[in-house]
Amino acid sequence: EDKVVQSPLSLVVHEGDTVTLNCSYEVTNFRSLLWYKQEKKAPTFLFMLTSSGIEKKSGRLSSILDKKELFSILNITATQTGDSAIYLCAVDLYSGTYKYIFGTGTRLKVLA
Amino acid sequence: GAVVSQHPSWVICKSGTSVKIECRSLDFQATTMFWYRQFPKQSLMLMATSNEGSKATYEQGVEKDKFLINHASLTLSTLTVTSAHPEDSSFYICSARDAKGLAGSTQYFGPGTRLLVL
Repeated sequence: EDKVVQSPLSLVVHEGDTVTLNCSYEVTNFRSLLWYKQEKKAPTFLFMLTSSGIEKKSGRLSSILDKKELFSILNITATQTGDSAIYLCAVDLYSGTYKYIFGTGTRLKVLA
Repeated sequence: GAVVSQHPSWVICKSGTSVKIECRSLDFQATTMFWYRQFPKQSLMLMATSNEGSKATYEQGVEKDKFLINHASLTLSTLTVTSAHPEDSSFYICSARDAKGLAGSTQYFGPGTRLLVL
């Protein structure tokens, strides 16, 4: 059964801290791994990763994929209160149809 | 960028009624649309994959007679929750993948519909 697991489930930090969110997966027919940020409504896209070892960066956020060990991390440096959200990891795969399987999510709260 | 809309954004209904939720891709054609539900403090759970002009593919455990999906055109998919009950109350989110469906193409998410069944 295809599975995506995120850790930790929740995290509380102070502004300025650096956080690392983890996503591990066990799926067949992997295509890519994606990170999303969800505040009150639908998820907003952060990164898509298809190749191992290549870091993707956007401002204070960065992410990398390890296809051998089947995991990805999302780093946020110098956190701000606006980073408070649920961070979702999804794996794009083919299982009779092309679809995403979402992880459990990590709820991040950044305190001022 | 690609925009997906959903309507309505909020719906409250009585138990036993049916509710229809629309999902539209506004500036691209979507051969495939997806319907998810999300319970409070939980992740998105894929309910079904909707392909234009064919029957939807439902995930295990999702009742196809309860959650009717129609994808009549390349820009519109609808989800009808039939005979809704309080346990159907949830946040329903659709997404769309563009018609190119290239490897690596992403899904674009709608803003979601919050359903409350009394």
